[in-house]
Amino acid sequence: QVQLVESGGGVVQPGRSLRLSCAASGFTFSSHAMHWVRQAPGKGLEWVAIISYDGSNKYYADSLKGRFTISRDNSKNMVYLRMNSLRAEDTAVYYCARYNYDYHAFDNWGQGTLVTVSS
Amino acid sequence: QSALTQPPSASGSLGQSVTISCTGTSSDVGAYNYVSWYQQRPGEAPKLIIYEVSKRPSGVPDRFSGSKSGNTASLTVSGLQAEDEADYFCSSYAGRNSYVFGTGAKVTVL
Repeated sequence: QVQLVESGGGVVQPGRSLRLSCAASGFTFSSHAMHWVRQAPGKGLEWVAIISYDGSNKYYADSLKGRFTISRDNSKNMVYLRMNSLRAEDTAVYYCARYNYDYHAFDNWGQGTLVTVSS
Repeated sequence: QSALTQPPSASGSLGQSVTISCTGTSSDVGAYNYVSWYQQRPGEAPKLIIYEVSKRPSGVPDRFSGSKSGNTASLTVSGLQAEDEADYFCSSYAGRNSYVFGTGAKVTVL
């Protein structure tokens, strides 16, 4: 079965950087676009970024452009999110999610990793 | 990329129905039939329950149904059961490789 496992979250000071990882299994990873979606405590979901199946195309939420970078390694079935210049408002649970173009929807989600930006 | 608007909460008695709206714009909900709905129970990851406005993935009960009119999509849960108590989020493709989620609605089963 499809499994997505995020890691790399933790407490980080404002202005610092962090890299999140998502390990995928149970499907042909190199055939699927992948996303990061975040959820601030007690808040709604916010789309962060998408990377195409082969890593050649990357798109970001306008509010995050320039600070966050999505990448993937199809040889390792991994997707990453590099977050720079972190701010308190970046505090959230970060989910990786598989996008299914047959459904035009996010059909599988990881359990998320919590990032807390605090001094 | 403004969030889609959902009512903060909705409620219904066991066995009754509840409908949640999701209002966007002519650039997202109104432009594409790529509206999806997600159920999120406390402490869990979101789960896809409706895709392409009104289609259900395998395993999702037919008590869940979706529709769209103009810039507003709706999710109806019929025959409410205790396990339907959760947060529900809508999502839409918003063009130019961007996506948007709704503000979320908490469904309470009375």
